[in-house]
Amino acid sequence: VQLVESGGDLVQPGKSLKLSCSASGFTFSSFGMHWIRQAPGTGLDWVAYISSSSGTVYADAVKGRFTISRDNAKNALYLQLNSLKSEDTAIYYCSRGSFDYWGQGVMVTVSS
Amino acid sequence: DVVLTQTPPTFSATIGQSVSISCRSSQSLLHTNGNTYLNWLLQRPGQPPQLLIYLVSRLESGVPNRFSGSGSGTDFTLKISGVEAEDLGFYYCVQTTHAPYTFGAGTKLELK
Repeated sequence: VQLVESGGDLVQPGKSLKLSCSASGFTFSSFGMHWIRQAPGTGLDWVAYISSSSGTVYADAVKGRFTISRDNAKNALYLQLNSLKSEDTAIYYCSRGSFDYWGQGVMVTVSS
Repeated sequence: DVVLTQTPPTFSATIGQSVSISCRSSQSLLHTNGNTYLNWLLQRPGQPPQLLIYLVSRLESGVPNRFSGSGSGTDFTLKISGVEAEDLGFYYCVQTTHAPYTFGAGTKLELK
């Protein structure tokens, strides 16, 4: 099993960014997936979940700004980040449904 | 939202010492399907988290059996029976019974 995030960048407040998580080594379509973030020097912060049937759940802090999606044909998970704020600065991890596999994470920095 | 309160925030231990970490939930984590979706994770410095325990007490494959989990309802405990140097890092509980899902603030296990 391997999860590889990409798309992290330095962006200005109010701008958008799209993160990707490429999955391999398992039947991606059969598993729900999470995005979790970790601001520098702080704990883990759950962001969003998408089920195998594409039902979605969001943390209150990102609801209406972030969108989680998946493309089972490409074995890919996505997180669209809109209206970014400085407090969204963090390492963003993707993880399989039971948190049994994690990617290495990708850094998103929101700053002017 | 469910609040998970972890205690202690920091635990200073010697090698070989047994350690218990508490995770208390603001509401019962018993799902209507009869499962309790409470997991424990360890994050070593500079690494993504790894799953130790799922469904309260089930040991993830490959995790040493000095780790054990117990509890029900709102009170849960992770026990390490004989700390080893590789166990140092941050421990987190996480619940996926009630959306939005939430992490505890973490417990830092350090060497005394």
